[in-house]
Amino acid sequence: DAGVIQSPRHEVTEMGQEVTLRCKPISGHNSLFWYRQTMMRGLELLIYFNNNVPIDDSGMPEDRFSAKMPNASFSTLKIQPSEPRDSAVYFCASSLEEGIFLSTDTQYFGPGTRLTVL
Amino acid sequence: AQKVTQAQTEISVVEKEDVTLDCVYETRDTTYYLFWYKQPPSGELVFLIRRNSFDEQNEISGRYSWNFQKSTSSFNFTITASQVVDSAVYFCALSETNTGNQFYFGTGTSLTVIP
Repeated sequence: DAGVIQSPRHEVTEMGQEVTLRCKPISGHNSLFWYRQTMMRGLELLIYFNNNVPIDDSGMPEDRFSAKMPNASFSTLKIQPSEPRDSAVYFCASSLEEGIFLSTDTQYFGPGTRLTVL
Repeated sequence: AQKVTQAQTEISVVEKEDVTLDCVYETRDTTYYLFWYKQPPSGELVFLIRRNSFDEQNEISGRYSWNFQKSTSSFNFTITASQVVDSAVYFCALSETNTGNQFYFGTGTSLTVIP
């Protein structure tokens, strides 16, 4: 079975450009999570979806960040406009949750997208 | 104040030794969840365990075990008979639910297992 798929694996862009990160969760999973990891801030949960609905986006750093999940098999994290401080590794994870809160089941992570904003 | 404290920044042990990674959390919620994640040198994240605040039973999974003690607000992780493949950064995390869903990671403990 395919795991969580993220694309691209690496992205280098210039400040001010729009960046779109993509994630395909494991088929059948109903929850999807976006995380960010930087040296300065460590690991952060940005947003998570349950049944395609954003449950909590309190971790999203600012309005430049937006995330969507138009269907059960696809999610995007968009940064517009990008800034150098957005440089990080962005992880997507999926799981099969019993309820809307972060729950019992294992989260499966994608390989991450390493974003560099020059 | 730190919501999740992993006081051990780096630990080195010799293969086959047991090692305990400490995690202390702070919350006023009555319902919360605790997590451990592993990040090996290759960079991927691996989810290890989730516990809810109502279940203080210790958990054992192979060489891994977790000790959850609400009295000391700790959720420690022990690796028995460590192996080189256990070398990684380990993150503890807390999810609070009473006031929406807030998620906090510790700063991680880097474990090196020396052959």
